[in-house]
Amino acid sequence: AQSVSQHNHHVILSEAASLELGCNYSYGGTVNLFWYVQYPGQHLQLLLKYFSGDPLVKGIKGFEAEFIKSKFSFNLRKPSVQWSDTAEYFCAVNALWNSGGSNYKLTFGKGTLLTVNP
Amino acid sequence: ETGVTQTPRHLVMGMTNKKSLKCEQHLGHNAMYWYKQSAKKPLELMFVYSLEERVENNSVPSRFSPECPNSSHLFLHLHTLQPEDSALYLCASSQGRNVGNEQYFGPGTRLTVT
Repeated sequence: AQSVSQHNHHVILSEAASLELGCNYSYGGTVNLFWYVQYPGQHLQLLLKYFSGDPLVKGIKGFEAEFIKSKFSFNLRKPSVQWSDTAEYFCAVNALWNSGGSNYKLTFGKGTLLTVNP
Repeated sequence: ETGVTQTPRHLVMGMTNKKSLKCEQHLGHNAMYWYKQSAKKPLELMFVYSLEERVENNSVPSRFSPECPNSSHLFLHLHTLQPEDSALYLCASSQGRNVGNEQYFGPGTRLTVT
């Protein structure tokens, strides 16, 4: 069964610091990859996604993530964080079981809580 | 502003009660999902409906019973729950069968079982 690991449970940064949140997954086949964000008191929303093509994907609010297939990783980055980036970040993976196929299951990591101090 | 609404936002129920959670999506999507979010655990997919047909049941106990009367509405009927069922229950929707499409989440129902 596929699994997703987010190694950092809680990250604390000061404003303007650079951010990198790790995400590793266990499935060896074709995958779709996602980062979701949950701001305090708000619903989960998509930050960025990777399906194919350029392994460096850019999302909203200056976030980007790089898919490294050989490392089974999809780390999230932002060069300079702001106080408003304080939120919980979830990595999610959808494994494609057969060629051209898909399934419904998004497997989520446990999430990383990011606190940005002003 | 979310296109997926959930009611109630908070629910406290005893183990012998029967209650229902409601989800409504205003996005014209045709796939809907129930997830369970417990503290310190990853989001767990419970059920998936596509075109009002249940297409995935992720080994969920029978005390949780989903219902999808149309593509805009999804219910989760609850009965004889256990305290360990206390969690945030999230509804989501997406366009099409392919989960590669973005899933849009509702705000969740915070359930406490006493």
